[in-house]
Amino acid sequence: DTAVSQTPKYLVTQMGNDKSIKCEQNLGHDTMYWYKQDSKKFLKIMFSYNNKELIINETVPNRFSPKSPDKAHLNLHINSLELGDSAVYFCASSQDPLRVAYRGAQYFGPGTRLLVL
Amino acid sequence: GIQVEQSPPDLILQEGANSTLRCNFSDSVNNLQWFHQNPWGQLINLFYIPSGTKQNGRLSATTVATERYSLLYISSSQTTDSGVYFCAVTMDSSYKLIFGSGTRLLVRP
Repeated sequence: DTAVSQTPKYLVTQMGNDKSIKCEQNLGHDTMYWYKQDSKKFLKIMFSYNNKELIINETVPNRFSPKSPDKAHLNLHINSLELGDSAVYFCASSQDPLRVAYRGAQYFGPGTRLLVL
Repeated sequence: GIQVEQSPPDLILQEGANSTLRCNFSDSVNNLQWFHQNPWGQLINLFYIPSGTKQNGRLSATTVATERYSLLYISSSQTTDSGVYFCAVTMDSSYKLIFGSGTRLLVRP
């Protein structure tokens, strides 16, 4: 009964490869997010989807492409992986913060540790 | 954009000690959360506290939104409290959760 789950937990790959990370939430939330945590532990938002619509796209290289097939799933595909893409990628979800009477908390998945060699 | 500053950056405690972590933010916010990232890397929700005071066991948090700061209190610390504590905020009409740089806590037995 995990609230926000991600697969895989670990991903080791070669430079130039293409890889995907999957996220699922069973909280009934409308909004999902991808965050990146760098080697200095700094966390920064990459993308956000609300009801399957992309609403936040921070200054992320276009090698990164999120896709939301439905409200409960958000995937992240990365093309032509580079050494600098090595990081921990966290998925999160929340109720729509612009629609609910109170602004709901964001709940995070366990993270996917990506290492590009 | 909004700045989120946490202090202290590093903290070492003896088991059983109490501590206070601080989060200052530079603009008004409508959401403030405290997280604990444990040594295994998991981000654990501690509090959703845009204003007021909440308590959960040995942890409590207070946010004074008008003065733009939040405090996290840890009492009778345990070795399992070790890790990084993050404060994160969202501004009005925003989906973005903006994180501080964290406080690294080590509790020694």
